[in-house]
Amino acid sequence: AQSVTQLGSHVSVSEGALVLLRCNYSSSVPPYLFWYVQYPNQGLQLLLKYTTGATLVKGINGFEAEFKKSETSFHLTKPSAHMSDAAEYFCAVSGVGADKLIFGTGTRLQVFP
Amino acid sequence: DAGITQSPRHKVTETGTPVTLRCHQTENHRYMYWYRQDPGHGLRLIHYSYGVKDTDKGEVSDGYSVSRSKTEDFLLTLESATSSQTSVYFCAISESRSRTDTQYFGPGTRLTVL
Repeated sequence: AQSVTQLGSHVSVSEGALVLLRCNYSSSVPPYLFWYVQYPNQGLQLLLKYTTGATLVKGINGFEAEFKKSETSFHLTKPSAHMSDAAEYFCAVSGVGADKLIFGTGTRLQVFP
Repeated sequence: DAGITQSPRHKVTETGTPVTLRCHQTENHRYMYWYRQDPGHGLRLIHYSYGVKDTDKGEVSDGYSVSRSKTEDFLLTLESATSSQTSVYFCAISESRSRTDTQYFGPGTRLTVL
C-alpha cells in the first residue's frame, strides 16, 4: 500500500528565507512522487515530479525536491521565499494503478514581509 | 493550462436534493477523475473513468454516481445530497494510466449542502 505524510499543516517563513516542506512516503512498489501547489480558490498545479533517474528534481517557480530512498522522503525546498509562494502544497505518491494518486493532507505556506 | 472547466463553480443546495457537477475537457485525454477536498484529508478519489461509459469507484464513492457519455464530459451526481457532502470537488484528467503520468486539475466546484 502507498501513503504520504506531510509534516506540519502550516509553515510560516519570512520573505527571502528558505522554504522547506516535508513529505515522507510509504510504498510497496518503486515510488513515483509529485508535488502540487494550490493557490487560493484555484485548482492544483503540478510543481514537479520524480519518476526515475536524477534524485534532485527541479520544478517551476524555483522549487526543487530531492528523493531520498533511505529516508523515504521527498522534501520540497526553495532557497528564497517570495510573497507569491503563499499557497497550499500537496505531496502525492502514485499508487498501483494510475487511478490512484494518493495525496498528503497538505501544508499551508505563509510568507511574511 | 490544461483545458478543463467545471460547472457550476459554486452551488448551495438543500439536504435531499439531487446535484450534478460537470467536468469538461478539451484535451481529448482518456482518463478523468473526480476528487473531493476536505480540511485534514487532502484530496480523496471519488470515481474515475478510463473511457466513454467506462467508470470505476474510488476511495469515497458512497453516495455518488458518475457518467461519461462523451470523451470530453464527466458528470458527478449526488443522488440525494447530505451535509457530509459539503466539500470542494475537483475534476482531473490524464492522458494514460501510467503511474508516471501527470494528472491535471480543474478549478474546482465549491458545494454547500444545508
